[in-house]
Amino acid sequence: QVHLVESGGGVVQPGSSLRLSCAASGFPFSAYAVHWVRQAPGKGLEWVALISSDGSIRYYADSVKGRFTISRDNSKNTLSLQMDSLRAGDAALYYCARERGFYAFDMWGQGTMVTVSS
Amino acid sequence: QSALTQPASVSGSPGQSITISCTGSSSDVGDYNYVSWYQQHPGKAPKLMLYDVTNRPSGVSNRFSGSKSGNTASLTISGLRAEDEADYFCTSYTSRRILVFGGGTKLIVL
Repeated sequence: QVHLVESGGGVVQPGSSLRLSCAASGFPFSAYAVHWVRQAPGKGLEWVALISSDGSIRYYADSVKGRFTISRDNSKNTLSLQMDSLRAGDAALYYCARERGFYAFDMWGQGTMVTVSS
Repeated sequence: QSALTQPASVSGSPGQSITISCTGSSSDVGDYNYVSWYQQHPGKAPKLMLYDVTNRPSGVSNRFSGSKSGNTASLTISGLRAEDEADYFCTSYTSRRILVFGGGTKLIVL
């Protein structure tokens, strides 16, 4: 079965760090670009970051640039998001998503929740 | 404020057709045919309904169709069904090599 499973969410204080992971299974992970997308409670979707299939290309939303780092380990079929200097505005459900075509997402995980609170 | 503008809500009766608009700019929707639409039911992950403006992934009903004119893309759902009631989000690739989402539209099936 084809799956994306996120983990690593939790409750953290402003200014702290957190690392999210996304485990892929059931498809050739190394052949696909993958993204992180987040959704604050009761709000819309916000694109966060992209990493190309081989990891050589990375793009970030302005809201997280310089604070978040996307990475992948194709040998372990794993996507990561290192989040530093967390702010209240970063609180959201974080989804990893597989790219199909060009910046379209045909597979999503169930999400992992990040809460930023003092 | 979202980069792409969608109506907050639209409604229709079963069997009718509705259209949801997604307005961007010449730096995104107007310049690229990389517009996608997602359906999201409460508590669920989004589901891809259309990509590259008009293309349907395998398994998506042909009641869902897309179009684009200038800086505005549109999603049309024909033969409205109760199960279509959900939030719908548009996205577009942009000249800055990032992706932008619309604010989302709540579809109410009366």
